Amino acid sequence: DGGITQSPKYLFRKEGQNVTLSCEQNLNHDAMYWYRQDPGQGLRLIYYSQIVNDFQKGDIAEGYSVSREKKESFPLTVTSAQKNPTAFYLCASSIGKESYEQYFGPGTRLTVT
Amino acid sequence: DAKTTQPTSMDCAEGRAANLPCNHSTISGNEYVYWYRQIHSQGPQYIIHGLKNNETNEMASLIITEDRKSSTLILPHATLRDTAVYYCIVRAYGGATNKLIFGTGTLLAVQP
Repeated sequence: DGGITQSPKYLFRKEGQNVTLSCEQNLNHDAMYWYRQDPGQGLRLIYYSQIVNDFQKGDIAEGYSVSREKKESFPLTVTSAQKNPTAFYLCASSIGKESYEQYFGPGTRLTVT
Repeated sequence: DAKTTQPTSMDCAEGRAANLPCNHSTISGNEYVYWYRQIHSQGPQYIIHGLKNNETNEMASLIITEDRKSSTLILPHATLRDTAVYYCIVRAYGGATNKLIFGTGTLLAVQP
């Protein structure tokens, strides 16, 4: 089945540690995105990538980093510089920048204490 | 991208039609109306989109007013599995990022 996988579903870390969230897609999509969702809020864009080896900052990129070495993979690192890292993180992909529809993964819930 | 306004929550009886309104009075001529939904603790799911004509697919219908300042998403026969937060998003086709701006949406509770 084609789709987007994110792992793990739940992740716990101590404050001050970097953590990397996985996102893989087998839809052959060019564009991939990372969003953050806080309780009761909508989604906010962290980073996006429209093609391999290229990515751009979204609205709330501070404290995060990404890489796009392969078309199917777009991992997100939450660094210790991110002041409020506890959140629900969602990865998405679309055929391209012009696509009407984004496909979302199941999300990773990160808790930092 | 234009801003949207949706009610915070709505109830609907199972088997009845659910009509979810959205106001987008500042919409521009090149902006589409998109609807996504998010079931609790899952990723959002695309439902439907439209520019100015009414649209229908296997999930829902989208009715856009003639002046395009508001729209209504219709789930014709709501089931318990349709309980979710529904997001109305207005966005120009393409653009620099293909970014979707999600507000807080409408929590639709389908009652048995």
